[in-house]
Amino acid sequence: NAGVTQTPKFQVLKTGQSMTLQCAQDMNHEYMSWYRQDPGMGLRLIHYSVGAGITDQGEVPNGYNVSRSTTEDFPLRLLSAAPSQTSVYFCASSYRRGGTDTQYFGPGTRLTVL
Amino acid sequence: EDKVVQSPLSLVVHEGDTVTLNCSYEVTNFRSLLWYKQEKKAPTFLFMLTSSGIEKKSGRLSSILDKKELFSILNITATQTGDSAVYLCAVDSNYQLIWGAGTKLIIKP
Repeated sequence: NAGVTQTPKFQVLKTGQSMTLQCAQDMNHEYMSWYRQDPGMGLRLIHYSVGAGITDQGEVPNGYNVSRSTTEDFPLRLLSAAPSQTSVYFCASSYRRGGTDTQYFGPGTRLTVL
Repeated sequence: EDKVVQSPLSLVVHEGDTVTLNCSYEVTNFRSLLWYKQEKKAPTFLFMLTSSGIEKKSGRLSSILDKKELFSILNITATQTGDSAVYLCAVDSNYQLIWGAGTKLIIKP
């Protein structure tokens, strides 16, 4: 099993550009989520999905879109990048939502917006 | 508003010391508390706690939860340089994980 994979590992964007961060898991997990991690702050939930075709907003959804057409893939789209979106982004998956199942994290994408 | 507070924010100790990391919380509907270790990349799971007073142990690491006083501690005994990492605490409130800012632990040889 590859677990949770994310691409790219690093990305530099200019303000106003759009891009998609890819996330895939091969563990047949129903629940997937996207977090951002900023210095001195905990992980903050951007969007999550409880299954294919179902997505919902987390704590900091503005400026991001997601879709879940398959169980395996959960891409995160930045619509018009802003310097405030400079962060490290983690995708995570688990069998069920919440803390009763171990969250498996991808290796992260370090994004810089100039 | 749900919140999770970890202390200290950073800690530097020498190899062989014992450390205690703290996590306190105020959440609407507590379901579980989790500890993760984050080295250079993704967080990796350490413990999940749901009941007060029951210690979870894995090698030199142990953790306990106090649901009355709303906190958990993570103990690491006989620390090694490989224990250097950020330790994250998260609380499941209504099936949503609320994360603390983490404690950065540095172990000096």
